Amino acid sequence: EAGVAQSPRYKIIEKRQSVAFWCNPISGHATLYWYQQILGQGPKLLIQFQNNGVVDDSQLPKDRFSAERLKGVDSTLKIQPAKLEDSAVYLCASSLGTPGLNTGELFFGEGSRLTVL
Amino acid sequence: GENVEQHPSTLSVQEGDSAVIKCTYSDSASNYFPWYKQELGKRPQLIIDIRSNVGEKKDQRIAVTLNKTAKHFSLHITETQPEDSAVYFCAASQGDTGRRALTFGSGTRLQVQP
Repeated sequence: EAGVAQSPRYKIIEKRQSVAFWCNPISGHATLYWYQQILGQGPKLLIQFQNNGVVDDSQLPKDRFSAERLKGVDSTLKIQPAKLEDSAVYLCASSLGTPGLNTGELFFGEGSRLTVL
Repeated sequence: GENVEQHPSTLSVQEGDSAVIKCTYSDSASNYFPWYKQELGKRPQLIIDIRSNVGEKKDQRIAVTLNKTAKHFSLHITETQPEDSAVYFCAASQGDTGRRALTFGSGTRLQVQP
């Protein structure tokens, strides 16, 4: 089966510019996550969707980051304006169910690497 | 919220030796503890997980142990091979009692020397 698709794979922008990332989860997966992975660190949750509703966005810097999941399938993550510290890999993941259930395994995309100059 | 500490940050072993990676968590309500492996330039992938109703789980050369009282869990890899070289992440969540996403540790870079 097809995995989690993300684009673009790489993006270089200057600070204060905007950028958008796209994610297409595995078909039928109700739960979608965006994680930020700074070099040398573990993934940090930005936002979790259940279908098209937000479950947890407590760590999303809402003054500059926004995310949506229209129709409960694809999702976009936007950063505007970008800061130097936003340089990271943005990982999208999806799961059939929620963590802890037998259907809760996270399947990650290959990530979108953002460099802010 | 949950906080997961992971040690060591780097680990180098000789092929055939064992490797142990340790994690501690802060939220006593956490009950699901997976481990993900991330090879260089690739996406993280689940390798093993454990729930709080068991103390140990094995899958061939890898095993995970959980001490709920001390709030720590460990990954054990025996008979290490060069293909085990990767970054390993532990994680924790309140799995079946809620909808909380995984909180990840900072990762351990394991290098297996041939």
